[in-house]
Amino acid sequence: NAGVTQTPKFRVLKTGQSMTLLCAQDMNHEYMYWYRQDPGMGLRLIHYSVGEGTTAKGEVPDGYNVSRLKKQNFLLGLESAAPSQTSVYFCASTAGRGQPQHFGDGTRLSIL
Amino acid sequence: LAKTTQPISMDSYEGQEVNITCSHNNIATNDYITWYQQFPSQGPRFIIQGYKTKVTNEVASLFIPADRKSSTLSLPRVSLSDTAVYYCLVGVIYNTDKLIFGTGTRLQVFP
Repeated sequence: NAGVTQTPKFRVLKTGQSMTLLCAQDMNHEYMYWYRQDPGMGLRLIHYSVGEGTTAKGEVPDGYNVSRLKKQNFLLGLESAAPSQTSVYFCASTAGRGQPQHFGDGTRLSIL
Repeated sequence: LAKTTQPISMDSYEGQEVNITCSHNNIATNDYITWYQQFPSQGPRFIIQGYKTKVTNEVASLFIPADRKSSTLSLPRVSLSDTAVYYCLVGVIYNTDKLIFGTGTRLQVFP
């Protein structure tokens, strides 16, 4: 049972490039989330999904897009990467109300 | 919007009990209180969750007073491997946009 798997683990981009981060969970969870964590700070919610085919904005959604075409996958896209998006990105999932979130080990993204 | 306040850092020695208090004055009726642990280069890991009174599991206890405006995570007999950042989280899972992690408490355990 892998839990929450994020790919890639590391990536370096140039300003203006695009990329997609993949999150996959094998726990049949309904809810999935994307967070970013900057040095010395807590996690900030970017986007989330409460089920297949649905997405919603979190605290810091600007510059990102997401898709949840399959229940087990949640994709985070950067259409035109900016240096301010250099961060560690975490994906999480949960079964639902009152249930704890299960996190992946993160994707470290650097944008030059 | 329930916001939490925790100490920025705490120090302890191996074998001691550590209590980390979180303030959440604006907690709503349907909010749960959840604590996570995060090691460097890893995602947060669930420790314990509660709604009121006391909850205990194999790694920690969570004390919640009647007014629920604060909570205390208690780690019994800490070891060096408990050195990590601990986050207090307040909210209802299905209202995810209202979940705020905050900056957490950095616990350093010394030998």
